[in-house]
Amino acid sequence: NAGVTQTPKFRVLKTGQSMTLLCAQDMNHEYMYWYRQDPGMGLRLIHYSVGEGTTAKGEVPDGYNVSRLKKQNFLLGLESAAPSQTSVYFCASSYPEKTQYFGPGTRLLVL
Amino acid sequence: SQQGEEDPQALSIQEGENATMNCSYKTSINNLQWYRQNSGRGLVHLILIRSNEREKHSGRLRVTLDTSKKSSSLLITASRAADTASYFCATDAYNNAGNMLTFGGGTRLMVKP
Repeated sequence: NAGVTQTPKFRVLKTGQSMTLLCAQDMNHEYMYWYRQDPGMGLRLIHYSVGEGTTAKGEVPDGYNVSRLKKQNFLLGLESAAPSQTSVYFCASSYPEKTQYFGPGTRLLVL
Repeated sequence: SQQGEEDPQALSIQEGENATMNCSYKTSINNLQWYRQNSGRGLVHLILIRSNEREKHSGRLRVTLDTSKKSSSLLITASRAADTASYFCATDAYNNAGNMLTFGGGTRLMVKP
């Protein structure tokens, strides 16, 4: 039981490049979330999904897109990376109204 | 904007002492949760307290919730060096589609051996 996994663990991008972060969970959770964490701060919700094929915006959605084509996967895309998107990205999953389980994070540096 | 705000931002204590962290929030909630984050790692869930509960225990952890003051506290008793981490409160707002959590800025706890 791997829980929540994220790939890649670390990535460096140049401004304007695109990339996709992958989150996978093997707990059959309905809900999945993408957060970003900036230095010395708590997590802020980017997008979330309450089921396969559904997505919704969180607190800071601008510059990101997501897709939930399969229940176990939640993809976060950056179409044109900006230095302001340098951050650590965390994925989480949960059953409805239950504890969220977090992945180990992806460190992204945009130059 | 962050719903939860932790206080203090940083706390340094000796092993064996108790550590108390506080969290304040702004809107009505379904529940409040506390998470721990070790340096460079993801968040680990510690405890969840529902809006109709006032106190909850888990091992060396004690969480209180005062909905009239919109505040919560996390007490770690008999602290250990391994408790060194950042601690975050997160609120699940009332009537919240998707059970989104709103996190505070965290308290960085250092426990000196």
